[in-house]
Amino acid sequence: DAKTTQPNSMESNEEEPVHLPCNHSTISGTDYIHWYRQLPSQGPEYVIHGLTSNVNNRMASLAIAEDRKSSTLILHRATLRDAAVYYCILRDGQGGSEKLVFGKGTKLTVNP
Amino acid sequence: KAGVTQTPRYLIKTRGQQVTLSCSPISGHRSVSWYQQTPGQGLQFLFEYFSETQRNKGNFPGRFSGRQFSNSRSEMNVSTLELGDSALYLCASRSGRGVQETQYFGPGTRLLVL
Repeated sequence: DAKTTQPNSMESNEEEPVHLPCNHSTISGTDYIHWYRQLPSQGPEYVIHGLTSNVNNRMASLAIAEDRKSSTLILHRATLRDAAVYYCILRDGQGGSEKLVFGKGTKLTVNP
Repeated sequence: KAGVTQTPRYLIKTRGQQVTLSCSPISGHRSVSWYQQTPGQGLQFLFEYFSETQRNKGNFPGRFSGRQFSNSRSEMNVSTLELGDSALYLCASRSGRGVQETQYFGPGTRLLVL
């Protein structure tokens, strides 16, 4: 399974932007980059995903490097509710069955 | 639409016992996956079921098994429990039609083995 590397933890202040990096140097051409987050005492929830182009949704933006070996999840204005562990995951775009391979993720702390 | 539900939410068992956990997917979803989460190993994939068939399996011993019913509800069973099986067990569902679909996770069942 293709691997991702993320910092163990990051800290941010409320209302400020947060940039969460992810390295995936062994990404293959058919791998999509997905981000999930897990709030305390909850199951993971989907945040965003992309293949080559930058993506935006109501929760976040995803910036993908041109060589696709790294990506950055951007929370434009962090809130206390965004404190969670963020996982960057590669999902193969081929085949019908797939499993999510979670790394250790980045624990984001948001200070009031 | 109701989300993924898991029962029970908390469970205490002793070594050597067996346990069955239940997962009801989102209505219309035919794929159910199970994950184990521990502080040491993080989130690890157990298996995926689609239309009552196991479609993928993680690297866990045979004590871990599962099944899926015709209504897509799924159960996982752990026999001969060990202390190391103490974990949060999460199930996730998706429709199963596309690989890049969002996985929707339930709140998990927290299992403590004494």
